[in-house]
Formats: sequence, C-alpha cells, structure tokens
Amino acid sequence: GDKVKQSPSALSLQEGTNSALRCNFSIAATTVQWFLQNPRGSLINLFYLVPGTKENGRLKSAFDSKESYSTLHIRDAQLEDSGTYFCAALNVGDNSKLIWGLGTSLVVNP
Amino acid sequence: AQTIHQWPVAEIKAVGSPLSLGCTIKGKSSPNLYWYWQATGGTLQQLFYSITVGQVESVVQLNLSASRPKDDQFILSTEKLLLSHSGFYLCAWRRDWGGREQYFGPGTRLTVL
Repeated sequence: GDKVKQSPSALSLQEGTNSALRCNFSIAATTVQWFLQNPRGSLINLFYLVPGTKENGRLKSAFDSKESYSTLHIRDAQLEDSGTYFCAALNVGDNSKLIWGLGTSLVVNP
Repeated sequence: AQTIHQWPVAEIKAVGSPLSLGCTIKGKSSPNLYWYWQATGGTLQQLFYSITVGQVESVVQLNLSASRPKDDQFILSTEKLLLSHSGFYLCAWRRDWGGREQYFGPGTRLTVL
C-alpha cells in the first residue's frame, strides 16, 4: 500500500450521487488497472490505462503518469456499484508484477 | 473468447494437510499466468507468475509452490497447510505480448482449520 496509495479507504454514497476515487503512486507507473471486487470476490476489470482518459457508461478514469496519480469517477451511483475498488499499477522496468493499492470500500445506499 | 476456470470453488482443510488448487485458461495460447492470495478484507498479493510451460517465478512463496504442467494450466500446491494459508486465491492471465492488462478467474476460497 505504500507504493500505491488509494483514497478514501471507505466511502458511503446515496444512490444517484457522484464521487471520485484516487490512487497516488510513489513508483514510476507505466500502466494502471482499476477493478471492482464484488461481494462474491470476483474481480471485474473496469479500466486499463496508459496515460490518458477513458470513459465507460457512468464511470470515467484518468491516469497522469507525470503527476503520478489516477482517478476513477462514478456518476449517478447505483446499488450495484457497491464493492471494493482496487487500482493496480505496473512499475517501469518490471512488467511482471502489478503493484496494488489497499482498496476503497464503497457502499451505495438507497 | 477467453475463459478462465479455477477449481475447487471452495475448500475447508485441516492444518498439516496437502492442498492443490488449479487454474485453466481456454481460448488463449501461451498466456502469462499469475497466482494471487488475498486475506479477508485485504489487498491482493502476487505469489507466482509463469510465462511458459515448465517455468515459474516466485514473488512471495508463503510456503506454497506452483507449477505449470501445460500451456493452459497453472497449479498451486503445498504438502502441509498452515492456518495462515486461509484466504482467497485468484488466478489471472495476460497476453504474452502487446497490452499488459490482467484478467482474473473467479477465485477459490480456502479455510484452514
């Protein structure tokens, strides 16, 4: 968790609201992945990013390698968005090992 | 389309007993394969990775071993389980060239008593 710091560690949202999750890197990250782990434990791929921005439905993610951070924006939160969000990055010179954050636990309330 | 299977879905085992967990990927040749362990409420920790048959690199051993007997199969095992082995084990794959995105299997939940 030191090399990839995720914030916040936990978050509670009302249905229909917006929020942003963040990962700060103390490594020279080359690529970033965002995952959602659902209550059953399955890891769902949300985004794979080289530096830049991607959008998929209500989710939008950005990765800035120069400023060493990545964000995940959730718009119009739904109950099914609940779970734990992880970011993971590849460090320059070592693409055999993803460096993981400690996760953000998100609960969306009706 | 690629599919990744893990077996068993869940196991309850006694301390000191042996363990074998399996992972198979279909629809992709020569993938890079990975084993991860996740403690309850924790983050993922990479244990092993393999880029080809018969070759496995250890990242964190945790008194476990891994083997890749076939191109599409990755096995995690130990002869003697410890209480600390309890957790969630995930297998993942990645293309051997091009993009570096990892994709995960459904996982095996292990309880050691």
